Amino acid sequence: EDKVVQSPLSLVVHEGDTVTLNCSYEVTNFRSLLWYKQEKKAPTFLFMLTSSGIEKKSGRLSSILDKKELFSILNITATQTGDSAVYLCAVRGSNTGKLIFGQGTTLQVKP
Amino acid sequence: KAGVTQTPRYLIKTRGQQVTLSCSPISGHRSVSWYQQTPGQGLQFLFEYFSETQRNKGNFPGRFSGRQFSNSRSEMNVSTLELGDSALYLCASSALSSGGQETQYFGPGTRLLVL
Repeated sequence: EDKVVQSPLSLVVHEGDTVTLNCSYEVTNFRSLLWYKQEKKAPTFLFMLTSSGIEKKSGRLSSILDKKELFSILNITATQTGDSAVYLCAVRGSNTGKLIFGQGTTLQVKP
Repeated sequence: KAGVTQTPRYLIKTRGQQVTLSCSPISGHRSVSWYQQTPGQGLQFLFEYFSETQRNKGNFPGRFSGRQFSNSRSEMNVSTLELGDSALYLCASSALSSGGQETQYFGPGTRLLVL
């Protein structure tokens, strides 16, 4: 059965720290991996990583995909209180085409 | 471009009733997916519609059903509501990005409370 596991489940840091969130997966015929940020509302899209794009960067956020070891990391540098949210990882396999979500990592950034 | 919209935003029902939720995708998007989000189970896939056809289905009972109209708007129906159906129901629409991959954009969700 396809599954996505995120770690840690929760994390508390102080402003300015760097954090690394992990996402490992087992999915048949991997197509893409997506990262979302969810505050007190719907998830907002951050990155999509595929076989043709295994590293993405946007400002203080970056993500890499290791297709061989079946995991991805989301890195946030110089964290700010506004980065506090649940970060969701989702993987799509070609067999079903549907997105499988991990449980999420709850990040709290303290001033 | 307007984002994904969902109505209603909040809903209170009692056990045994039925409910219909609505989702309007981003203009030009033809794929709509529905998810149930609860604190215990996280985000779980319900079903996906593309061009008025159900393309994928998650592991939910038959009480959960959906449909998509010719304008890509989608509705989700839950019959014979149970307490455990209380959740945030999220709708997401897909755009075909370059390379044929699909990025999903979420609506604000409908929070359903079953009493």
